[in-house]
Amino acid sequence: DAKTTQPPSMDCAEGRAANLPCNHSTISGNEYVYWYRQIHSQGPQYIIHGLKNNETNEMASLIITEDRKSSTLILPHATLRDTAVYYCIVRSYNYGQNFVFGPGTRLSVLP
Amino acid sequence: DAGVIQSPRHEVTEMGQEVTLRCKPISGHNSLFWYRQTMMRGLELLIYFNNNVPIDDSGMPEDRFSAKMPNASFSTLKIQPSEPRDSAVYFCASSNPGQGYYGYTFGSGTRLTVV
Repeated sequence: DAKTTQPPSMDCAEGRAANLPCNHSTISGNEYVYWYRQIHSQGPQYIIHGLKNNETNEMASLIITEDRKSSTLILPHATLRDTAVYYCIVRSYNYGQNFVFGPGTRLSVLP
Repeated sequence: DAGVIQSPRHEVTEMGQEVTLRCKPISGHNSLFWYRQTMMRGLELLIYFNNNVPIDDSGMPEDRFSAKMPNASFSTLKIQPSEPRDSAVYFCASSNPGQGYYGYTFGSGTRLTVV
């Protein structure tokens, strides 16, 4: 079962920041927060992950609250190509722990 | 790096026929995963391999489904006999636990339609 809760859909204006929330109130101390996205008709694509510190890469930023019970994925300047389903997943590095995908958030970037 | 390669991209078959989906993982990746995606159930893990050995096949829906990984560069998912409810997009993914992020790289999927 997915351990995260995300809104089913969100809209964002092109050029604006897209802030996608995720609740993971039962996260364990050794579990990381991962974000993937799936553009229509493609396989899921890794975006970013983190444990407790905020993370940034060329695609996005990940902000994790101090209690680690929620996080926000930020796309700083959303483009039409960012329209996709975004999945928030918690998972440890332990052997045998796999990615369990929930329904995710469908982000629509509007012109 | 060509990524994870799946074939065919699309497959249409009649009920009762055997279907074989193929996957070539990224060279050097020693874990391979088969997922199925439907509108009703989303993305579901069917089976995964470590070093060519099946580790967990609890997601395989029934005995009609079987998966093999004869070597590090090739895996198949077979459905025999196929049924209309098997219609879905099947994704293969690979990973290298030695990588820092331990994430998966997914292929483009095979869209299966059973009529």
